[in-house]
Amino acid sequence: TQLLEQSPQFLSIQEGENLTVYCNSSSVFSSLQWYRQEPGEGPVLLVTVVTGGEVKKLKRLTFQFGDARKDSSLHITAAQPGDTGLYLCAGLLNFSGTYKYIFGTGTRLKVLA
Amino acid sequence: NAGVTQTPKFQVLKTGQSMTLQCAQDMNHNSMYWYRQDPGMGLRLIYYSASEGTTDKGEVPNGYNVSRLNKREFSLRLESAAPSQTSVYFCASSVFRTATNEKLFFGSGTQLSVL
Repeated sequence: TQLLEQSPQFLSIQEGENLTVYCNSSSVFSSLQWYRQEPGEGPVLLVTVVTGGEVKKLKRLTFQFGDARKDSSLHITAAQPGDTGLYLCAGLLNFSGTYKYIFGTGTRLKVLA
Repeated sequence: NAGVTQTPKFQVLKTGQSMTLQCAQDMNHNSMYWYRQDPGMGLRLIYYSASEGTTDKGEVPNGYNVSRLNKREFSLRLESAAPSQTSVYFCASSVFRTATNEKLFFGSGTQLSVL
């Protein structure tokens, strides 16, 4: 059972367009992270959100954690070719006192020049 | 800084062969992890080591074994490879396993094909 669903799965847009990626679950997370992964490399952490309703900005990227801490979104303004990559969300769940990161299915973004 | 180093980068095995994936980190992290990444499935945790001397099963441990050799090194062994183990394998490390604001550092992955 996949606990974290991401949408869309694939996204191809023109440079300068805006986009939003969603990460949804029925589970409540202690925190949620967003990673970006480039071909042939491991994921690299972009941001961690901890509080319900929290919004964080990283240059043109805006991350929001849902009020109930079950979902999150990543919004990119004026996308650039350098934003191309696989975006992964990861939620931290408490399984009977043991914390585990659950990764989403990923959104593959391609920004065309 | 090297960060998390994985070897080999690529490997092709025949069904039934065995091999060990090596991972080392130079950040003095306590916790280390092995994930596999398959298309449409995200990253799934195979095994983890919360601290030196301990290992625990993750979501998909069947067919794998691990060894936390010391604080720096965490290896993953496939005793009898199967085609279902064809995947990209990532090693990761973090300071502590239980912190809510913990950051995972990943290696660059091992692409494994089992024929």
